[in-house]
Amino acid sequence: DAKTTQPNSMESNEEEPVHLPCNHSTISGTDYIHWYRQLPSQGPEYVIHGLTSNVNNRMASLAIAEDRKSSTLILHRATLRDAAVYYCILRDGTNFGNEKLTFGTGTRLTIIP
Amino acid sequence: EAQVTQNPRYLITVTGKKLTVTCSQNMNHEYMSWYRQDPGLGLRQIYYSMNVEVTDKGDVPEGYKVSRKEKRNFPLILESPSPNQTSLYFCASSQLPRGEQYFGPGTRLTVT
Repeated sequence: DAKTTQPNSMESNEEEPVHLPCNHSTISGTDYIHWYRQLPSQGPEYVIHGLTSNVNNRMASLAIAEDRKSSTLILHRATLRDAAVYYCILRDGTNFGNEKLTFGTGTRLTIIP
Repeated sequence: EAQVTQNPRYLITVTGKKLTVTCSQNMNHEYMSWYRQDPGLGLRQIYYSMNVEVTDKGDVPEGYKVSRKEKRNFPLILESPSPNQTSLYFCASSQLPRGEQYFGPGTRLTVT
């Protein structure tokens, strides 16, 4: 799977929007962009995924650049419960074999009350 | 409630004493997998299973065994644990293909 680059850490104030960036300049046309997060002392948790178009769900929005070389996870109104490490992961949509997720170092998001 | 459960959550053991960490999912998922998480190394896959009786090695399989006799269960077996297997272990499951993966709460293992 292609590599992603994320900032090591970010801070945001509670109840404000958070934009978490991810660069994936070597993304291929069949790579899906997935986001997972890991809250303290818990297993990773799926957040959202997309291919080309922007996506929304109850947890977050995913904005994908037109050239697909970068994407942004948007938390519309951060709460203390959103403090976690956020991972941006690329998954080849055509490689049907091991479903392994390749976790990088992610972005540690701190929410300031 | 859809979930992946692991037992035990915490385990302290001694070198060489065989142990099993259980993993169970209630979502009828075909795919199951084990990861270990270590500081500075992130999550690394140990073994995975595409369905009953179908298992294969991940990136760090040495010292581990698995079995998949039933669809819902995927136990991780350490036949002769060593201190370098001290880690946080996660089980995951998903529908095939490319479903979102559900992770268990983790098992913190210490081998002395």
